[in-house]
Amino acid sequence: QVQLVESGGGVVQPGRSLRLSCAASGFTFSGYGMHWVRQAPGKGLDWVAVIWYDGSKKFYADSVKGRFTISRDNSKNTLYLEMNSLRAEDTAVYFCARLTSEKSLDYWGQGTLVTVSS
Amino acid sequence: DIQMTQSPSSLAASVGDRVTITCRASQSISNNLNWYQQKPGKAPKLLIYAASNLQSGVPSRFSGSGSGTDFTLTISSLQPEDFATYYCQQSYGTLFTFGPGTKVDIK
Repeated sequence: QVQLVESGGGVVQPGRSLRLSCAASGFTFSGYGMHWVRQAPGKGLDWVAVIWYDGSKKFYADSVKGRFTISRDNSKNTLYLEMNSLRAEDTAVYFCARLTSEKSLDYWGQGTLVTVSS
Repeated sequence: DIQMTQSPSSLAASVGDRVTITCRASQSISNNLNWYQQKPGKAPKLLIYAASNLQSGVPSRFSGSGSGTDFTLTISSLQPEDFATYYCQQSYGTLFTFGPGTKVDIK
């Protein structure tokens, strides 16, 4: 069965960096685009970034552009989100999700919490 | 960027009620609209894709309609497990955006 498992969250000081991982299993990872979506405590869903199935294209929300980098290693079936210059407003649960051919997000991980605080 | 709005932001309903949630895009997005359900502490779950297509395994009491800028999610007969927050999401552009959500509470 399809599984997405995020890891790497934690408490980090403002201005510091963190790398999230999303381990995929149960499907051909290299055949799917992947997204990161976040959710601040008590708030709605906030789209963060997308990467094409082969890593050839990447797009970001304006709020994270220039600070976050999405990447993937298809040989390891793993998606990453490198987060630099973190701010208090980046505090959220970060989900990875699989993109379908109909441009929907059909499988999601359980999420990993990132807290940016001094 | 394409902005999404939803109404109402919350509603209270009883088991068996028919519930309708609307979603509006700031520009035409054709049928590039998806609906998700989220329960507290859980990941979102895909309900409807491409405006009106029921995701595999989702009960048939859920349905979606609309095209262009105006869309609707309908729950024909609300069940206890349907109390949750519902989000629309546009996939017209490369940069996805979500609506602010509609919380469905028990009356």
